[in-house]
Amino acid sequence: AQSVAQPEDQVNVAEGNPLTVKCTYSVSGNPYLFWYVQYPNRGLQFLLKYITGDNLVKGSYGFEAEFNKSQTSFHLKKPSALVSDSALYFCAVRDKLNNDMRFGAGTRLTVKP
Amino acid sequence: DAGVIQSPRHEVTEMGQEVTLRCKPISGHDYLFWYRQTMMRGLELLIYFNNNVPIDDSGMPEDRFSAKMPNASFSTLKIQPSEPRDSAVYFCASSLSGGQNQPQHFGDGTRLSIL
Repeated sequence: AQSVAQPEDQVNVAEGNPLTVKCTYSVSGNPYLFWYVQYPNRGLQFLLKYITGDNLVKGSYGFEAEFNKSQTSFHLKKPSALVSDSALYFCAVRDKLNNDMRFGAGTRLTVKP
Repeated sequence: DAGVIQSPRHEVTEMGQEVTLRCKPISGHDYLFWYRQTMMRGLELLIYFNNNVPIDDSGMPEDRFSAKMPNASFSTLKIQPSEPRDSAVYFCASSLSGGQNQPQHFGDGTRLSIL
């Protein structure tokens, strides 16, 4: 069965600095990988996904993620953080055999002015 | 373009009462998912439907939980009888078919408090 880990509960960065939110996964075969963001009292919003092809995926709000097969990672990145990026971020993995999507525990990103 | 619509947004009730959560998926989406989110367990998949048919309900915690999808535009998650440990935020999500590469679109959730 597939699983995903987000090793950091909390990430703090200063506005304007680059940010990275880490994600590693475990799945048999090739994965589909997703990042979602959750703002307070809201549902999860889709940010980006990796299906195949280019290892660097670009998504909404200037976010991007890099698929690294050898390290089984899919870290979320942004070159310059905004205070408004402060939210809860979830990594998710789905294998190609079923529709069961596994979410990580979430990482709370705080961007300070 | 309306997203996934859930009702009610908040529900407070006493233990032992029946609770019904409602979801309207995005039109044209043929997958529907119910999740529960708590601080302790994070996001848990409870059940999902494809073309109104339940496909996997292995995440449903107990027989007190039941879910139905009588048509393509409506689903319910029912808890009867409710218990304080059922307090959580319940999310509904929908997605298109066409493979497992489709993202899920979430509603804003129902915050359930069982007293």
